[in-house]
Amino acid sequence: DAGVIQSPRHEVTEMGQEVTLRCKPISGHDYLFWYRQTMMRGLELLIYFNNNVPIDDSGMPEDRFSAKMPNASFSTLKIQPSEPRDSAVYFCASKPEGHANFNEQFFGPGTRLTVL
Amino acid sequence: EDKVVQSPLSLVVHEGDTVTLNCSYEVTNFRSLLWYKQEKKAPTFLFMLTSSGIEKKSGRLSSILDKKELFSILNITATQTGDSAVYLCAVAAGGTSYGKLTFGQGTILTVHP
Repeated sequence: DAGVIQSPRHEVTEMGQEVTLRCKPISGHDYLFWYRQTMMRGLELLIYFNNNVPIDDSGMPEDRFSAKMPNASFSTLKIQPSEPRDSAVYFCASKPEGHANFNEQFFGPGTRLTVL
Repeated sequence: EDKVVQSPLSLVVHEGDTVTLNCSYEVTNFRSLLWYKQEKKAPTFLFMLTSSGIEKKSGRLSSILDKKELFSILNITATQTGDSAVYLCAVAAGGTSYGKLTFGQGTILTVHP
């Protein structure tokens, strides 16, 4: 089975531009999570969805960040406008309901974002 | 607010050494504690420990959970260069936060030949 798929893998953009990160969770998984990882702050949860519905977006840093999950197989994280401090690796993860390791999340390869 | 603290932040050892990584936590409505390994890419799952499964072992890796003292340790025996990675500890809560993981800062382990 394919794992979590993220695109693009690398993104370099200039300050002020809009950035859209994409994620396809593992088929059949009910939960989808967006994380940001930096050296300073580690791995931080931004937002997560259950059955396509946002459950907790308290980690979204500010209004410039938005996330959507229009269907069970696709989610986007958008930053508009982007700033240099948004530079980080953004991970998407998914999780099934009823798994033996019930809190285990499966991570995608990440998108490395650089904002100049 | 849930909190996870890992120590040490970094560790350098030689092949064959045994290492112990620590994780302490504060969480409301604790459900489980997880360990992940990250090698310059996505975190990969190692163990999940709960109240009903406080010790896990897989090959040279083992982990215990002390739910009374609110900590966990990850042991790696006979370390190899391939064990070099960042080891992440995370806790999961129940209730309205079900499904959500709070991660620690990680321990960077470097194993020299």
